[in-house]
Amino acid sequence: DTGVSQDPRHKITKRGQNVTFRCDPISEHNRLYWYRQTLGQGPEFLTYFQNEAQLEKSRLLSDRFSAERPKGSFSTLEIQRTEQGDSAMYLCASSWAPVAGLRETQYFGPGTRLLVL
Amino acid sequence: KNEVEQSPQNLTAQEGEFITINCSYSVGISALHWLQQHPGGGIVSLFMLSSGKKKHGRLIATINIQEKHSSLHITASHPRDSAVYICAVKAAGNKLTFGGGTRVLVKP
Repeated sequence: DTGVSQDPRHKITKRGQNVTFRCDPISEHNRLYWYRQTLGQGPEFLTYFQNEAQLEKSRLLSDRFSAERPKGSFSTLEIQRTEQGDSAMYLCASSWAPVAGLRETQYFGPGTRLLVL
Repeated sequence: KNEVEQSPQNLTAQEGEFITINCSYSVGISALHWLQQHPGGGIVSLFMLSSGKKKHGRLIATINIQEKHSSLHITASHPRDSAVYICAVKAAGNKLTFGGGTRVLVKP
């Protein structure tokens, strides 16, 4: 296993189109996080899963955004009716946290860079 | 005011110089992370701290919980250290809250 992978690495789409990104975490990791990073800024939290359960969602995640992790392994992030303001790097991270409250290290994927024209 | 503030935003150093990046936060935390992001987006976790000091090679990270402040030091800087360094804190819940990053350029 070589780490967290994301697909695609780059996506250009027209405003109004739907896009879907995939994240494959490190295989034994039970937690999976999605972040968004705009140019020149630090990442911002979007949502996270523990196994297949989506436990927290940021208010940044409008109703056009949906994330799933159906089998507790890979995750998808879908953006419907994309807007130019959705242009950003979408980062996925995974971690192994067997005990609640245990501090874990998150391992980041390379990101998917989205450009909405 | 952001929960996590980093300074400076940009830093240019000559090879061999000692570099310090600062991070201040305004909430109670369970852990603080220092991350490195190279051009192209990939993020690597450098340190996770909850107290004291950690060292890894030429990198040193310190945290003062009472003052809500952490520093990342790079000794004997090298051009390959050029990257964006990001401070992130874990407060309530499991999400990380990130600073805006410090862009470091080390010139040969």
